[in-house]
Amino acid sequence: NAGVTQTPKFQVLKTGQSMTLQCAQDMNHNSMYWYRQDPGMGLRLIYYSASEGTTDKGEVPNGYNVSRLNKREFSLRLESAAPSQTSVYFCASNPIGGQGIYDYTFGSGTRLTVV
Amino acid sequence: GNSVTQMEGPVTLSEEAFLTINCTYTATGYPSLFWYVQYPGEGLQLLLKATKADDKGSNKGFEATYRKETTSFHLEKGSVQVSDSAVYFCAQASNTGKLIFGQGTTLQVKP
Repeated sequence: NAGVTQTPKFQVLKTGQSMTLQCAQDMNHNSMYWYRQDPGMGLRLIYYSASEGTTDKGEVPNGYNVSRLNKREFSLRLESAAPSQTSVYFCASNPIGGQGIYDYTFGSGTRLTVV
Repeated sequence: GNSVTQMEGPVTLSEEAFLTINCTYTATGYPSLFWYVQYPGEGLQLLLKATKADDKGSNKGFEATYRKETTSFHLEKGSVQVSDSAVYFCAQASNTGKLIFGQGTTLQVKP
C-alpha cells in the first residue's frame, strides 16, 4: 500500500546513545515533516523539508538533526539521546501546491524510550 | 503566535450518545482547519477539513463548521459507536502548509 513507512516501530536507548529514525514515502510528495507526540501536548513540529534539498526548523528542533536524502526519504537523528526525548515520533508528507498542500499522510509512528 | 486549543479529555460516552469536542484557534488571517483521528497504535488520519469561513466539513457521520466569528471548529456526531473510540486532534494550517495541532481529546465510547 502506498503511504509513509517509518522504521523502527519501537526503540529503547540509553542516555547519550545516538540513533536515526527512518522515514520513506512513495507518493512522490514534495514536503516531509517530523513531529513528536507527548501526552497533553498534541503533535509538535521538529523539522520539515519543503522540497528535496531543503530543511527547516520547526517548533522543537533542539537535540535533533535531519537529512532529506532524496525525494522519498527524510531521516531524523538524535546525536546524544536524553530522557526528555522519550516520545512517539511521527513522519508525515504532503504534496505541495493547490488543495494538495493540506493532504497530509502520516506514518504509524516510532515509540522511543530513553532510559 | 498561532495556536489551537481543545477541550480536555478524556470524554466518556455511552453508545448512541451525542458527541461534541470543542476546538478554538488563534491565527493571523484565515487558516484552514482540520480534525484528525488516531486509533490505538496507529498514525493520524484526516477525518474532515474546512478551508474557509462557514464551510462545513463532514465524514463518517462527524461534522464541524468553520466559525470565523467565534474562531471555533467544534466536532460533532449525533450518535457515537464503540468503534469511534480514539484520540481526536484539531489542527490549523497556514498557506505554507504547516500544521499546528491542539493537545488531543481522548474519546471512549462504552457499549
